[in-house]
Amino acid sequence: DTAVSQTPKYLVTQMGNDKSIKCEQNLGHDTMYWYKQDSKKFLKIMFSYNNKELIINETVPNRFSPKSPDKAHLNLHINSLELGDSAVYFCASSQRGQGTNEKLFFGSGTQLSVL
Amino acid sequence: ILNVEQSPQSLHVQEGDSTNFTCSFPSSNFYALHWYRWETAKSPEALFVMTLNGDEKKKGRISATLNTKEGYSYLYIKGSQPEDSATYLCAFKGSSNTGKLIFGQGTTLQVKP
Repeated sequence: DTAVSQTPKYLVTQMGNDKSIKCEQNLGHDTMYWYKQDSKKFLKIMFSYNNKELIINETVPNRFSPKSPDKAHLNLHINSLELGDSAVYFCASSQRGQGTNEKLFFGSGTQLSVL
Repeated sequence: ILNVEQSPQSLHVQEGDSTNFTCSFPSSNFYALHWYRWETAKSPEALFVMTLNGDEKKKGRISATLNTKEGYSYLYIKGSQPEDSATYLCAFKGSSNTGKLIFGQGTTLQVKP
């Protein structure tokens, strides 16, 4: 039973394409996140949703659009993919918001390669 | 810009050795400090969430201490085993950064049998 699952695990695509990464958590958590692992291996937050409401929206190009149909799902859609979007993207969830001390539960990551 | 730094970046020890590494974070507006363990091909998993200055947490052979006044946390592993090989991440949450977790780059530990 995977607590936080994201698909696909690997995504190879051409520049200019539009792609989506899906994330689902079965922990009953209220808050979900998207993190990007940058070229220096740092995990950096992109978005946070609490009960389907956008809470954190970092300085991310508006080609990236998160969508939360319900609190168990947070999908990431990326338009007009660029070479610099190549990275590993992690979904995570926590019981309550990031303004608490709740630990994060991470998905296994999606490695995106833009050619 | 808030910086969270971990040292060393990587560490190789023999099985049975005890080891420790450091996480440095801003000493002002502290809210919480998280430690995560990240094994290759798996997801990061939470080890500890620490909130009080002087806090010490323990989980099996792994323990952590926290000094919020000087802005550092140590993670200790006693009697390292090959299964301890992983990247250990710390993450800082300040009270004035809208609750975001700022991650360090991690310390990658290799334990040789």
